[in-house]
Amino acid sequence: AQSVTQPDIHITVSEGASLELRCNYSYGATPYLFWYVQSPGQGLQLLLKYFSGDTLVQGIKGFEAEFKRSQSSFNLRKPSVHWSDAAEYFCAVGPWSNDYKLSFGAGTTVTVRA
Amino acid sequence: DTEVTQTPKHLVMGMTNKKSLKCEQHMGHRAMYWYKQKAKKPPELMFVYSYEKLSINESVPSRFSPECPNSSLLNLHLHALQPEDSALYLCASSLGARSYNEQFFGPGTRLTVL
Repeated sequence: AQSVTQPDIHITVSEGASLELRCNYSYGATPYLFWYVQSPGQGLQLLLKYFSGDTLVQGIKGFEAEFKRSQSSFNLRKPSVHWSDAAEYFCAVGPWSNDYKLSFGAGTTVTVRA
Repeated sequence: DTEVTQTPKHLVMGMTNKKSLKCEQHMGHRAMYWYKQKAKKPPELMFVYSYEKLSINESVPSRFSPECPNSSLLNLHLHALQPEDSALYLCASSLGARSYNEQFFGPGTRLTVL
């Protein structure tokens, strides 16, 4: 069965500092990979996705993610964090089969300090 | 219009009440989803509609009854809920019901069952 692991429950970062959120997946083949962000009291918004091709993916709000097949990882990065980046971040995995279902990681809460 | 709207934003109901949640999208998406999200947890899939037909029910109790009157609307009828059903209920839509399709999420309905 596929699974998604986000090892960091909570990360605190200073405004202007860089941010990296980790995501590891377990699946028989490379699945579709997504990062979603959820601000307090809001729904989820897609930051970026990886299907194939270039392993460095650019997303919205200045985020990027790198797919590493050898490590089964899809880590999210931002060079310089803004206070508005404080939110919950979810990594999600979708299979290559005809399945519809996304598997979400447990999420990482990001706190930004001034 | 790339928005999924949900009403109401907040709902408080007793265990004997009957209420409904509403979700609407005008993006021409043919797949719509209901998720349940507890605090600090990832969304849990409840139902998937594809082309207005219920395609997936993730073993959800019968006190939750989904309905898709047309391709733009999705309802969730609630009856005889339990306090543990208190959560954020998220609606999402996508072009098709495949895991590679980006899901667009609404802001959610915060449900409290007394």
